[in-house]
Amino acid sequence: DVKVTQSSRYLVKRTGEKVFLECVQDMDHENMFWYRQDPGLGLRLIYFSYDVKMKEKGDIPEGYSVSREKKERFSLILESASTSQTSMYLCASSSTRESYEQYFGPGTRLTVT
Amino acid sequence: AQSVTQLDSHVSVSEGTPVLLRCNYSSSYSPSLFWYVQHPNKGLQLLLKYTSAATLVKGINGFEAEFKKSETSFHLTKPSAHMSDAAEYFCVVSLSYGQNFVFGPGTRLSVLP
Repeated sequence: DVKVTQSSRYLVKRTGEKVFLECVQDMDHENMFWYRQDPGLGLRLIYFSYDVKMKEKGDIPEGYSVSREKKERFSLILESASTSQTSMYLCASSSTRESYEQYFGPGTRLTVT
Repeated sequence: AQSVTQLDSHVSVSEGTPVLLRCNYSSSYSPSLFWYVQHPNKGLQLLLKYTSAATLVKGINGFEAEFKKSETSFHLTKPSAHMSDAAEYFCVVSLSYGQNFVFGPGTRLSVLP
């Protein structure tokens, strides 16, 4: 079974703090994604990566950055957290070998106060 | 550009009755289409996918969907709802050769006893 794990299920941070969300997949997938999920808006793509050290902006990259130093790990960084970034963050991975089906982690619910 | 419309934000059915969750898409290319389910406080799980093979796709837990190109639709159905089907359902479109997903806003399914 594909497993995508995220470092925290729940996180509470203060405005202005630097926040790291980590995602690890164990299926040697080349593609990894970060989404945020908000009620009524579905999932919106923040950043994605097709390969180690590669990154591409998604639909809402402002206020975020990412890092992919190893194939299995994809980190989302909030340089200076704001209350508008309170949300559910979901990580996913996929492979060109599997019709691009995305496998999702359990999510991290981030609250910025 | 691709987009997805889920026509109902909330659907309520009685246990044992049929389920219909509607999805329409817009895509300039031949799309791949997916339905994902999200139970409360859980990650997203793939229900089924269409990738240009058979137009009637069967998925897990008795769900199926039919790709209708002329109607640009990919509605999700199940003959008989079960209490455990209560969840949020997302319709997703992807370029058939691309990695990126576009999510619909979701439909919340309630199942009444």
